[in-house]
Amino acid sequence: KQEVTQIPAALSVPEGENLVLNCSFTDSAIYNLQWFRQDPGKGLTSLLLIQSSQREQTSGRLNASLDKSSGRSTLYIAASQPGDSATYLCAVGSNYQLIWGAGTKLIIKP
Amino acid sequence: ETGVTQSPTHLIKTRGQQVTLRCSSQSGHNTVSWYQQALGQGPQFIFQYYREEENGRGNFPPRFSGLQFPNYSSELNVNALELDDSALYLCASSLDPSGRGETQYFGPGTRLLVL
Repeated sequence: KQEVTQIPAALSVPEGENLVLNCSFTDSAIYNLQWFRQDPGKGLTSLLLIQSSQREQTSGRLNASLDKSSGRSTLYIAASQPGDSATYLCAVGSNYQLIWGAGTKLIIKP
Repeated sequence: ETGVTQSPTHLIKTRGQQVTLRCSSQSGHNTVSWYQQALGQGPQFIFQYYREEENGRGNFPPRFSGLQFPNYSSELNVNALELDDSALYLCASSLDPSGRGETQYFGPGTRLLVL
């Protein structure tokens, strides 16, 4: 059974810092891995999708990597801003469903 | 092109009642998935509908049921509500039921409170 874990559960950093969020999964037989952002009381916004054959994806200040053999993904956020404050969730795509971690709650202090 | 919409936004029910949640998929998307997100947790997959048929189901009891209509909109029905059903219910639409391809697009969710 696939299990997805995110560390840390919460993170608070000053504005401008570069930071890394971690995601691990137990079964490497995945289609893809996605990172989402969730603002309080809101739905989910897809940030980056990495197919199983890819190693990384980049969008603006965000870079996500995937190491399928070790069951790990990282989301790198460069030059963090207060507007980046949100909960970040990773989800593994497998057999028509997404399997999710519990998220990392990120607070960027001005 | 409109995104995924859900109604209602909030709902309060009492234990034992029944509830219907609605979702309109993004234009052209033929696949709808439903997820339950309890407070402080990641979403849990309930089921997926593809071209009006249930295409897969997570670990939820039969009192969670769904429908998909010819226009690909969908309903989630929950019977005999329990306190633990209190959660944010998310609907997502996509073009690819397998999950191999592009991402799913999520609606804002319906927050259900069961008293």
